[in-house]
Amino acid sequence: DGGITQSPKYLFRKEGQNVTLSCEQNLNHDAMYWYRQDPGQGLRLIYYSQIVNDFQKGDIAEGYSVSREKKESFPLTVTSAQKNPTAFYLCASKRAGTENTGELFFGEGSRLTVL
Amino acid sequence: AQSVSQHNHHVILSEAASLELGCNYSYGGTVNLFWYVQYPGQHLQLLLKYFSGDPLVKGIKGFEAEFIKSKFSFNLRKPSVQWSDTAEYFCAVIPIQGGSEKLVFGKGTKLTVNP
Repeated sequence: DGGITQSPKYLFRKEGQNVTLSCEQNLNHDAMYWYRQDPGQGLRLIYYSQIVNDFQKGDIAEGYSVSREKKESFPLTVTSAQKNPTAFYLCASKRAGTENTGELFFGEGSRLTVL
Repeated sequence: AQSVSQHNHHVILSEAASLELGCNYSYGGTVNLFWYVQYPGQHLQLLLKYFSGDPLVKGIKGFEAEFIKSKFSFNLRKPSVQWSDTAEYFCAVIPIQGGSEKLVFGKGTKLTVNP
């Protein structure tokens, strides 16, 4: 089955540690996205990438970093500079060329808790 | 920048009641509009979308939404809800301009349907 796989599903981290969340898709989509979901806040865009080796900051990129070395993979690193990292992180993808008419496909999410 | 407002944070209904969830957006230009749904423990998924044409659009599971351009609104409706409609619902917009890839979400409305 085609889809988006995020791992780990749950992650605990001590303050001051970096952590990397994995996102892999086998949908052959060119565009990939990272959102953060907090209760009562909806989804906020962290980073997005429309093509391999290129990515752009979203609305809340501070304290996060990404890479896009392969079409299938878009890992997110939550750095120690992120002041409030405890959240639910969602990865999504979309077919290139669909621009603003395309549907986003989401992974199941990763819940990060900083102790 | 565009923004999306969802009027209700939490709606509680009994089965067979009618549902209307409000969504207003702020953006001066033309937009495409979406409703996404997140059932407990499941992926966020597309419920319905509006691009152009008939302002009343039908989605999956008996949901529909009406685009009222003069009111900048895209309210979601269902004539008779079921217990299985318990979920969180997100309205989202994307402006139609220059290949923008940034979908903006509202804060979400949690729907609880009591049997």
